[in-house]
Amino acid sequence: DVKVTQSSRYLVKRTGEKVFLECVQDMDHENMFWYRQDPGLGLRLIYFSYDVKMKEKGDIPEGYSVSREKKERFSLILESASTNQTSMYLCASSLSRDSSYEQYFGPGTRLTVT
Amino acid sequence: AQSVTQLDSHVSVSEGTPVLLRCNYSSSYSPSLFWYVQHPNKGLQLLLKYTSAATLVKGINGFEAEFKKSETSFHLTKPSAHMSDAAEYFCVVSERTNAGKSTFGDGTTLTVKP
Repeated sequence: DVKVTQSSRYLVKRTGEKVFLECVQDMDHENMFWYRQDPGLGLRLIYFSYDVKMKEKGDIPEGYSVSREKKERFSLILESASTNQTSMYLCASSLSRDSSYEQYFGPGTRLTVT
Repeated sequence: AQSVTQLDSHVSVSEGTPVLLRCNYSSSYSPSLFWYVQHPNKGLQLLLKYTSAATLVKGINGFEAEFKKSETSFHLTKPSAHMSDAAEYFCVVSERTNAGKSTFGDGTTLTVKP
């Protein structure tokens, strides 16, 4: 079974802090994604990566950056956390050889910025 | 460009009656389509996926969906609702290029009354 793990289930940070969210997958997937989930808005794509050191902006990249130094690990960085970044953050991965590009999701990190 | 519209934000049914969750999509490509379910405080679980094989797709827990290209719809159905079906459901469209970049609908909350 594919396993996608996220470093924390719950995180509380202060406004202005630099925040790192980590995601690791164990199935050698090429593609990795970061989403945020807010009530009534579904999941919105922040950034994705299709290879090591490669990244592309999603629909809401402002205020975020990402890093992918190793194939299995994809980090989301909040350079200066703000209260409007309080949300549930979900990581996912997919295999390019799978023509459906089905995504496998981690359990999520609920981030609160105070 | 791609988009997804879930036509109902809330659906309420009685246990034992049919379920219909409606989804319309727009895509410039021949897309993959997915339905995910999320139970309260749980992660996303794949219900079913369409990848251009059979237009009627069967999923887990008795759910199925029909891909109708002429109507650009991918509605989710179940003949008889169970209390355990109460959850939030997401319709997703994915490009089959660009790492399978996905767009989620806003979600439909299904309530099942005893």
